[in-house]
Amino acid sequence: ETGVTQTPRHLVMGMTNKKSLKCEQHLGHNAMYWYKQSAKKPLELMFVYSLEERVENNSVPSRFSPECPNSSHLFLHLHTLQPEDSALYLCASSQDRALSGPYEQYFGPGTRLTVT
Amino acid sequence: AQKVTQAQTEISVVEKEDVTLDCVYETRDTTYYLFWYKQPPSGELVFLIRRNSFDEQNEISGRYSWNFQKSTSSFNFTITASQVVDSAVYFCALSGDYKLSFGAGTTVTVRA
Repeated sequence: ETGVTQTPRHLVMGMTNKKSLKCEQHLGHNAMYWYKQSAKKPLELMFVYSLEERVENNSVPSRFSPECPNSSHLFLHLHTLQPEDSALYLCASSQDRALSGPYEQYFGPGTRLTVT
Repeated sequence: AQKVTQAQTEISVVEKEDVTLDCVYETRDTTYYLFWYKQPPSGELVFLIRRNSFDEQNEISGRYSWNFQKSTSSFNFTITASQVVDSAVYFCALSGDYKLSFGAGTTVTVRA
């Protein structure tokens, strides 16, 4: 596989369920990101991991819990979500920030999440 | 605070027409980076270009061209001779460290 992959592509879950989103990058990058894309809103950065350490948590509710076991994998654990959490969740990766500035991010296809 | 404004919500053109997407940004940083991404109906954002604030040269890549004007804080994107495959949502973004601030996006529809 190449690029950034995400599974599942679609997920429907009830408010009491626990599920996880998975992201894997095959680009040799060392920074990974979670974004939320809701209808009619700009992309929102949720979490950033650089060299497997979380460097940004953008005031995300605790019902979203990220995990980065190594530089190639990123998870987003979900529990007791609300209907307003329904959105497209995008994972991205990049090289870490260099002296020349931030590198471009490469995105996965996203997981379309519906909370019922 | 950083902000990116894409005032055009939707643009519809007929194939072979040129289309220009506007992007205006705000930042207090003296060094910053601007990006354009394309999001086709499949959902995956595709990186198009990265430009730093010190490089004001315009860039052309095939049918795509970018006009960076620091004096007006704009980084506009033109598709020349548009094709149906160009139909997508296009996002302009501004970086600060790890954080990319995205504009709301412009939906481009190219009709055959």
